[in-house]
Amino acid sequence: DQQVKQNSPSLSVQEGRISILNCDYTNSMFDYFLWYKKYPAEGPTFLISISSIKDKNEDGRFTVFLNKSAKHLSLHIVPSQPGDSAVYFCAASEYNFNKFYFGSGTKLNVKP
Amino acid sequence: DVKVTQSSRYLVKRTGEKVFLECVQDMDHENMFWYRQDPGLGLRLIYFSYDVKMKEKGDIPEGYSVSREKKERFSLILESASTNQTSMYLCASSLTSGHNQPQHFGDGTRLSIL
Repeated sequence: DQQVKQNSPSLSVQEGRISILNCDYTNSMFDYFLWYKKYPAEGPTFLISISSIKDKNEDGRFTVFLNKSAKHLSLHIVPSQPGDSAVYFCAASEYNFNKFYFGSGTKLNVKP
Repeated sequence: DVKVTQSSRYLVKRTGEKVFLECVQDMDHENMFWYRQDPGLGLRLIYFSYDVKMKEKGDIPEGYSVSREKKERFSLILESASTNQTSMYLCASSLTSGHNQPQHFGDGTRLSIL
């Protein structure tokens, strides 16, 4: 049973607007959460992370929000750019463990 | 920057062959991982290692083995390749356990078993 789920396989957004990618998890022991971005024919690239002691982490155009009570995290990209078009994976791990559980990915298409 | 290098980008092998996928990292990371990526399933962990000669099974180890003789190198072995092992294989590395550290990935090997 998947412990990390991304229920939207794809998302299409107009350039300049906000992209919101969602991720749900089931394991309440998860303590560290990450988002990766993956272009075709390349490996995933680390984008942004958040630990469970925070509910928000921001890095430029990218913000990750964590709602522990709902076991939900989201990635906001503002403003979206065509170069953001990629597959985005969320991942989670328990404290002090280096084993990550990945979601199935959401393919983001930012239209010019 | 961390560099994780996978020896082949594309590989075509035949059913029953023994297949080796090689991965090297240059940042003295202790942890190394092998995943496979399939459509709709995301990344699934096959094996990982947090020290030389140490290995741990991931979620889908059946049909695979690994070798870590040197800290920088982690090899994935398909003992007798089968068509259901056609997939994208991704190697990753990270710093020591005990810290919240992201994993750094190679560019992947797209393996086709005919």
